[in-house]
Amino acid sequence: DGGITQSPKYLFRKEGQNVTLSCEQNLNHDAMYWYRQDPGQGLRLIYYSQIVNDFQKGDIAEGYSVSREKKESFPLTVTSAQKNPTAFYLCASSIVAGDTDTQYFGPGTRLTVL
Amino acid sequence: AQSVTQLGSHVSVSEGALVLLRCNYSSSVPPYLFWYVQYPNQGLQLLLKYTSAATLVKGINGFEAEFKKSETSFHLTKPSAHMSDAAEYFCAVSDRGAQKLVFGQGTRLTINP
Repeated sequence: DGGITQSPKYLFRKEGQNVTLSCEQNLNHDAMYWYRQDPGQGLRLIYYSQIVNDFQKGDIAEGYSVSREKKESFPLTVTSAQKNPTAFYLCASSIVAGDTDTQYFGPGTRLTVL
Repeated sequence: AQSVTQLGSHVSVSEGALVLLRCNYSSSVPPYLFWYVQYPNQGLQLLLKYTSAATLVKGINGFEAEFKKSETSFHLTKPSAHMSDAAEYFCAVSDRGAQKLVFGQGTRLTINP
């Protein structure tokens, strides 16, 4: 089955530690996205990538980093510089980064920083 | 810049009643609009999208939405609510040229038996 996988589903880290969230897709999509979801705030875009080896900052990129070395993979690192990292993180992909292209979402990773 | 406002963070209806979830957008160009649904602790699933074809868009699970340019609205409706419709619903507008979606704050729908 084609789709997007995110791992792990739940992640606990101590304050000050970097942590990397995995996102893999086998849909052969060019574009991939990372969102952060907080209660009552909808989804906010962290980073997106339209093609391998290229990515752009979204609206809340500070304290996060990404890489896009393979078409299928778009890992997100939450660094110690992120002031409030506890949130639900969603990865998405689309065929291309077009205005009408549907974004398909993974199941999410819930990060809790203790 | 495009933006989306969803009126009502919580909506509660009885099973079998009409579901109406409100979405208003702000856009300087003809918008592309989306409705997504999210069940607890899951990702988002596309319900329907408007891409400037028919103004009445039918989606999955019996939902539909009507694009009204004069009201800058894209409200989501379903004639008869089912218990399985309980979820959070997000309206989104495509930020034309920026290759990204701008989401509303979400509306949590509760269905009463």
